[in-house]
Amino acid sequence: QSVLTQPPSASGTPGQRVTISCSGSTSNIGINYVYWYRQLPGTAPKVLMYNTDARPSGVPDRFSGSKSGTSASLAISGLRSEDEADYYCAGWDDSLSSYVFGTGTKVTVL
Amino acid sequence: QVQLVQSGGEVKKPGASVKVSCKTSGYTFAIYGISWVRQAPGQGLEWLGWFSAYNGRTRYAKNLQHRVTITTDRSTSTAYLEVRGLRSDDTAVYYCGRVLGDRDYFYGMDVWGQGTTVNVSS
Repeated sequence: QSVLTQPPSASGTPGQRVTISCSGSTSNIGINYVYWYRQLPGTAPKVLMYNTDARPSGVPDRFSGSKSGTSASLAISGLRSEDEADYYCAGWDDSLSSYVFGTGTKVTVL
Repeated sequence: QVQLVQSGGEVKKPGASVKVSCKTSGYTFAIYGISWVRQAPGQGLEWLGWFSAYNGRTRYAKNLQHRVTITTDRSTSTAYLEVRGLRSDDTAVYYCGRVLGDRDYFYGMDVWGQGTTVNVSS
């Protein structure tokens, strides 16, 4: 049972903006960095956003991360077909002394 | 470039143990931690534990700490995950990942291995 809650699905048409939320608590998102990972079917996850709002080299600026209080968000602007994947938020939880993942959001491009 | 290459898939019977390897290259193994994550079929990601290169400590998810051990071999830049007392619900793809953090703080993982399928079946 995950301590970070995400919507199970999100969708949009090509070119639209999609936002994925990640709800946590004062022991995780509220005080620690948030990471976002993207996973294509049958492949390993890849980091999409690190330290809450930083993009790794190679990740386009269509992707942006933010945090407010105990919630974080990943925004995808200019949605493209290759953005179809599962997206997971994650962060360290000080109370659990454990790294926790969100429940995951499947993004579909209509 | 930074690479983490894992060992091949395993089929094990309930009660057995499995040891998965994660051979790293392209960076200085001694200054980055290694973490392990698993994903059961059709499910989300579950963190198993990590090895801190800063102080050599290992930390584990509480629900698995008595059955899981993470070790490293600096001479071969390889990390290992052993799971003992396998059960059917340990069937999953197991991933290793390089840890980003500050000293003994775990922020996340930036490079992942390709995954190793462990199938537990009688």
